[in-house]
Amino acid sequence: AQTVTQSQPEMSVQEAETVTLSCTYDTSENNYYLFWYKQPPSRQMILVIRQEAYKQQNATENRFSVNFQKAAKSFSLKISDSQLGDTAMYFCAFMKYNAGNMLTFGGGTRLMVKP
Amino acid sequence: ETGVTQSPTHLIKTRGQQVTLRCSSQSGHNTVSWYQQALGQGPQFIFQYYREEENGRGNFPPRFSGLQFPNYSSELNVNALELDDSALYLCASSKAIQGEVTDTQYFGPGTRLTVL
Repeated sequence: AQTVTQSQPEMSVQEAETVTLSCTYDTSENNYYLFWYKQPPSRQMILVIRQEAYKQQNATENRFSVNFQKAAKSFSLKISDSQLGDTAMYFCAFMKYNAGNMLTFGGGTRLMVKP
Repeated sequence: ETGVTQSPTHLIKTRGQQVTLRCSSQSGHNTVSWYQQALGQGPQFIFQYYREEENGRGNFPPRFSGLQFPNYSSELNVNALELDDSALYLCASSKAIQGEVTDTQYFGPGTRLTVL
């Protein structure tokens, strides 16, 4: 079974600064996907970024980028130029390849962006 | 493009009752997954439906059941409600080919269930 761990329950950052959220996972699989989802107070889970394990290049989406370290089983999210709208719960999630679409989520990190 | 929708938004039930939650998948998606998110925790996978059949299940008892309809919408049914069933129930849709996911899951806004 896979497990996903987010060791930072809460973090805060000043507007316009950079913050990094940590995620580690445990799996014996070689092919899988990793995701970061954002859940604002509106509750809707929104995809932030996705990484395929077979790709060595780290995924980027505008101000969001990841540091994927496969050997270390680490998948951190960097948010640059933080904005007030980035305030939300952030969840790291794992999905095995060729095993349906069951996502295994971490416990989440609550990020507060301060003006 | 229509996103994932869920109804109702909120629901209050008493212990022992039965509840049905509904989900309409995003246009073009044929797979629906359900997740339970307890307060302050990450979502947990309940089950997935593809081609109107259950296609994967998490560690939930049989009193959690579901349906998928020909238009790919879905229902989650929970019988004999317990206090611990109080949670946010999230539905997610995606596109699968021959049962394998080929795209990212997109989530609905959830249904907040309170069991008294």
